[in-house]
Parts: sequence; structure tokens; C-alpha cells
Amino acid sequence: TQLLEQSPQFLSIQEGENLTVYCNSSSVFSSLQWYRQEPGEGPVLLVTVVTGGEVKKLKRLTFQFGDARKDSSLHITAAQPGDTGLYLCAGADRGSTLGRLYFGRGTQLTVWP
Amino acid sequence: DTGVSQDPRHKITKRGQNVTFRCDPISEHNRLYWYRQTLGQGPEFLTYFQNEAQLEKSRLLSDRFSAERPKGSFSTLEIQRTEQGDSAMYLCASSHISYEQYFGPGTRLTVT
Repeated sequence: TQLLEQSPQFLSIQEGENLTVYCNSSSVFSSLQWYRQEPGEGPVLLVTVVTGGEVKKLKRLTFQFGDARKDSSLHITAAQPGDTGLYLCAGADRGSTLGRLYFGRGTQLTVWP
Repeated sequence: DTGVSQDPRHKITKRGQNVTFRCDPISEHNRLYWYRQTLGQGPEFLTYFQNEAQLEKSRLLSDRFSAERPKGSFSTLEIQRTEQGDSAMYLCASSHISYEQYFGPGTRLTVT
């Protein structure tokens, strides 16, 4: 059973398009992280959101944490081929101080030139 | 600036053999985590250390798996009597703040 559901699973778009990927759960998380992973490599941390309703921007990437801290979204403006990768969301258990992260299965994004 | 490093990057072994992986965390991080990732899945938690103490183990960590962090610095993950189902990417992460975990490049294990 996945605690975090990500959608869509695959996304293939042309350079310059905008896109949004979603991360949903029925559980409340104390924080939520977004990572990007390249083939054969470990995930790279993009952002951490902690407060319900929080919005963070990282250049062309906008991350939002839901008011109830159960869901999050990642919006990319004017996608570029360099954005291609597996985008993973991960939540930290609200009731735990140990820091175990629960990951979704990821959204595989391909941006064509 | 050195991030998390893992060794080896790739390991091919025959079923029944033992393997050991090493993780060197970011130097000032006292928390260290092991995860396993199979194709098409996100990473799954295996175990967690704070300094040298192993504080949590997942039910995924069967008796054939053991992890150590003897001096609170590097960690090793050993798999005994490997099985084909152990084939996966083994990821190590470290953190200073528990939820901001920084991952190494992983060790890809193939059991033939």
C-alpha cells in the first residue's frame, strides 16, 4: 500500500509547455519533500515544504503544500529538456521523530526539444 | 564539498553469496538511513541510525540483512545468502534535520 499516490505516472511533453504533477495521501505529514532522480543515480532534494498552504518557488518550479498537509503539487513553467527525470514526493510521518520518509512511485517526465 | 558517497556503485553476485555495501555520509550529519528501490517504485525505508545507534528497522529488513554504523560515521549494509529478489538499488541518505535527507548515488545490486 502506497501512502503517497503520484499522478500522472508518465508525462511526455514538448519544450516550452507547462505541467503540473500531483502527490496525494489520506495521511497528514509533518513535512513533504520533492526529489528528482536521474537513471542510475540517487534522488536529489529539490525542496522541503513544512507549513500547510506553503508555496515555494525554485526558478521555473513552483511547489505547494496542501492546507491540510495531505497533498502537494509541483508546477513547472516552460519545461526544458533538462527537466527530464523522475520526480518523487516523500512525506515525513507526523507522529514520528525518527525521520523515516515515505515515497510515492514517482512521475517520469520527458521533455522533448 | 563532499556529498554522500556509496561503494561499490555496482555489484553483480551469484545467488547464495554474501555482499557488503558501504556508505559515507556528509560529515556533519549524525543521522543515516538505508533505503531500497526496485524498478518502477519509489525508495522504501530499510533502517535508520542516529550516531551509532540503530533506532528503527523496517519489516523489509529480514534476518539476512544487517546494518552497522560502528563509530557513528560510515555505515555498512550486509546481505547474507543473497536471493534474486534482493536485486535492487540500495540507497543511503544522511541528514542533520530528520526530514531533509540527502541521498548518495546508490549501489545497484544484481543477483544472478
